[in-house]
Amino acid sequence: QQQVKQSPQSLIVQKGGIPIINCAYENTAFDYFPWYQQFPGKGPALLIAIRPDVSEKKEGRFTISFNKSAKQFSLHIMDSQPGDSATYFCAARSGGYNKLIFGAGTRLAVHP
Amino acid sequence: GAVVSQHPSRVICKSGTSVKIECRSLDFQATTMFWYRQFPKQSLMLMATSNEGSKATYEQGVEKDKFLINHASLTLSTLTVTSAHPEDSSFYICSARGGQGGTSTDTQYFGPGTRLTVL
Repeated sequence: QQQVKQSPQSLIVQKGGIPIINCAYENTAFDYFPWYQQFPGKGPALLIAIRPDVSEKKEGRFTISFNKSAKQFSLHIMDSQPGDSATYFCAARSGGYNKLIFGAGTRLAVHP
Repeated sequence: GAVVSQHPSRVICKSGTSVKIECRSLDFQATTMFWYRQFPKQSLMLMATSNEGSKATYEQGVEKDKFLINHASLTLSTLTVTSAHPEDSSFYICSARGGQGGTSTDTQYFGPGTRLTVL
C-alpha cells in the first residue's frame, strides 16, 4: 500500500533521445509526487513535482505526466544530454505524515 | 534559496566510537527535518522524522538508542551514531521541509550527504 514502484531499473539513450521513467502507486492518500535527480556521492535534488489534480506539468526539458485513474506517473526528459546521466527517483508524499516514499530509482546513461 | 548543508561530508571512525552529523537549513527555517540512509545503488530509506523542540519519530526497525536525533533549533538537526560498527557504514542524508523564506511546504530539500565509514 505504501510502495511506489519505479521502472526501468536502468536506461541507456543516445543524446537527444527522450528517456521515460515510470512510477506506479496504490495509496490514494498520496497527494504530492516529486521527482529527484541524484549524482554519485551527492544528495538528491528536486527536479519537478506534481499534484494529483493536474495531468501534466512541464519545466524546461522535464515533463511529468500523471494518470490519476491508473495511479501512474512518469517523467520525460526532452532532448537528453550526457549531463543528464544520473539516478532519478520518483516519490510520493503521504499527506497525513508528510513523509516521502521513494521508488527504487532509475540509473540513466545518456551517450554522446 | 532552500540550501541545506551537512557536516562533515565524510567521516572515518573506529568501531565503538560515536559520530555526530549536523544538518543545517541555511536560508530558511525548518520545523521538520528528515534523516535518510542510502546504501550503494539503492534508494533512500527514511530513518526518522525530526520536529523542532520535540522527540524524533523513528521508522520501524530503526534503533532510537543507536541513532540519536536532536532538533534543537529551526535550522539545525543532528544525528549521532552511537557505538558505531562497520555495518553502520553508509551514506546519510538529511532533508528539511520548506515553509518559510520562499520555500514550499510541499517540498523536502536535501543536504549533500555524509559518507560514514566505520573501520
